Amino acid sequence: SAVISQKPSRDICQRGTSLTIQCQVDSQVTMMFWYRQQPGQSLTLIATANQGSEATYESGFVIDKFPISRPNLTFSTLTVSNMSPEDSSIYLCSVYTGEWPYEQYFGPGTRLTVT
Amino acid sequence: AQSVTQLDSHVSVSEGTPVLLRCNYSSSYSPSLFWYVQHPNKGLQLLLKYTSAATLVKGINGFEAEFKKSETSFHLTKPSAHMSDAAEYFCVVGDYKLSFGAGTTVTVRA
Repeated sequence: SAVISQKPSRDICQRGTSLTIQCQVDSQVTMMFWYRQQPGQSLTLIATANQGSEATYESGFVIDKFPISRPNLTFSTLTVSNMSPEDSSIYLCSVYTGEWPYEQYFGPGTRLTVT
Repeated sequence: AQSVTQLDSHVSVSEGTPVLLRCNYSSSYSPSLFWYVQHPNKGLQLLLKYTSAATLVKGINGFEAEFKKSETSFHLTKPSAHMSDAAEYFCVVGDYKLSFGAGTTVTVRA
């Protein structure tokens, strides 16, 4: 299994500013992911955070808006840039260990409100 | 590409009665399927998973799901609902990149 922590747990930000969300895992994992959950909606995959290389973004998400860093196998950051109220969401990181029980583990999420 | 469709956006049941949450999947190969639950202001919790072993999968808290390839379905059931089952439920497909259904909100009436 894997235990994931995220910082901050919540924040209220002004439009036009940026927020960096941190994700820390208690063990080394190859695959880390970032998801977004807009209010009342389901989860949508933003990107795969690759260690030592650029993140792989899903359709509809771009690096300029959501830059991601992955400096090592236990840590990643997601920045939400030039925020607008539409960015108000819960942002979750997750990891897939690739080992039994072959499950994906989710962090508690960061609740972002943009005013 | 893989996707799931949750057929009910909202399900309301009385405490002690059965719960049925419906999910259909689309996949070009044998999928891994999951049900997650999200309680209000809480994180995601894995209820159960199907990974091509037994078609009837038992999960936590009395939930189970049956994989039916002929119907491309993976419905979630519980024989007797409890007040604590009130939450959002997501049907999910994928191996490491997951695709979430739209979610089903379950309310339980006393």
